[in-house]
Amino acid sequence: GAGVSQSPSNKVTEKGKDVELRCDPISGHTALYWYRQSLGQGLEFLIYFQGNSAPDKSGLPSDRFSAERTGGSVSTLTIQRTQQEDSAVYLCASSPVLSSPTGELFFGEGSRLTVL
Amino acid sequence: AQTVTQSQPEMSVQEAETVTLSCTYDTSENNYYLFWYKQPPSRQMILVIRQEAYKQQNATENRFSVNFQKAAKSFSLKISDSQLGDTAMYFCAFMKHNTGNQFYFGTGTSLTVIP
Repeated sequence: GAGVSQSPSNKVTEKGKDVELRCDPISGHTALYWYRQSLGQGLEFLIYFQGNSAPDKSGLPSDRFSAERTGGSVSTLTIQRTQQEDSAVYLCASSPVLSSPTGELFFGEGSRLTVL
Repeated sequence: AQTVTQSQPEMSVQEAETVTLSCTYDTSENNYYLFWYKQPPSRQMILVIRQEAYKQQNATENRFSVNFQKAAKSFSLKISDSQLGDTAMYFCAFMKHNTGNQFYFGTGTSLTVIP
């Protein structure tokens, strides 16, 4: 596609339920990132995928959070047993190969998660 | 560890005027990139301007320019002839050279352009 696509745009769920957020990066981009943006906060790094390398999961806040990237393209962020503090906008971004001199991230529009 | 600080949570500017958003960062690296990203109400972050640390010349993109002071670790964004469409959150970001996963973002500045 022309840009990074995320779905759903908005998700309201009840505390304790599991949610899946999807990201479809720009075709050919090998790097994919998930960030969390809470109200009044900056972007919190969650996880990073680069090609076939093991993902950098150092930003995941708890073991309730997991992510996978299938076939080096689409990624799914899963939050199990959601809590109210998980309410935030989850942003996905992709980037060309690691050696790209630009370092530019291309962001999706995000998925707004509300946990009641 | 790298940190990025934006000390102005909110700012406003009259349409057609000039505004400067501040950003400071802390790093021991010598080669890195600095960015300003804009997040309008639509939520999609877009790149405004980029600066390579090894370049002394300040980057400029149309009405947007930066004042990069490497020794002071300062990277401010100047918006000239402000337009209503400039209303957005602006995030300053830092990336170490050739480490695509290590972006560090500030907490953002909410800019409102007043008609």
